[in-house]
Amino acid sequence: DAKTTQPTSMDCAEGRAANLPCNHSTISGNEYVYWYRQIHSQGPQYIIHGLKNNETNEMASLIITEDRKSSTLILPHATLRDTAVYYCIVRVCTNAGKSTFGDGTTLTVKP
Amino acid sequence: ETGVTQTPRHLVMGMTNKKSLKCEQHLGHNAMYWYKQSAKKPLELMFVYNFKEQTENNSVPSRFSPECPNSSHLFLHLHTLQPEDSALYLCASSQVGSGSALNTEAFFGQGTRLTVV
Repeated sequence: DAKTTQPTSMDCAEGRAANLPCNHSTISGNEYVYWYRQIHSQGPQYIIHGLKNNETNEMASLIITEDRKSSTLILPHATLRDTAVYYCIVRVCTNAGKSTFGDGTTLTVKP
Repeated sequence: ETGVTQTPRHLVMGMTNKKSLKCEQHLGHNAMYWYKQSAKKPLELMFVYNFKEQTENNSVPSRFSPECPNSSHLFLHLHTLQPEDSALYLCASSQVGSGSALNTEAFFGQGTRLTVV
């Protein structure tokens, strides 16, 4: 898996958009960007993934730069329940459970 | 509810005990995984099973013994553990081999919080 770099922590006001960056400058052409989050003491939860096009689902949007060296996860209207550790993982799409989790970004949503 | 159920949710065991963690997935996936998450540390992949066959063991001590009787069930048998083995043990499942990026995400259970005393 390609190495990723994320900020250690971020704060966001409730109701505002949370933009979580991830750098993955060594990403290979067949590697996808996956995002998971882990709410305290629970199992990680899948959020979204993409290859090169921007993606959106009911939880979030994923913006991938044209050179694919970085991406941003956007939570459009953050709520207190979005407080969690967010992990950016870069890997091929097969065997998705075999992932290398780093330290992630601790997002704290404040009232 | 993720479709992956782990039992028990909490377990306290002595260093001489033998216990087992159970994981069951109701998603029809063909791959299952055990992860360990110690306090203040990233998740560490322990074992990978594809189609009931163990395909990866990441240098896990033999006091941890996995078992996968079928593609829906995964066990982690524990014996003579050490206090430093206290951690959150997470099970995950995914579908592999489709050749497509669709439905390739992993689903995790809620974990078993293990304390070795």
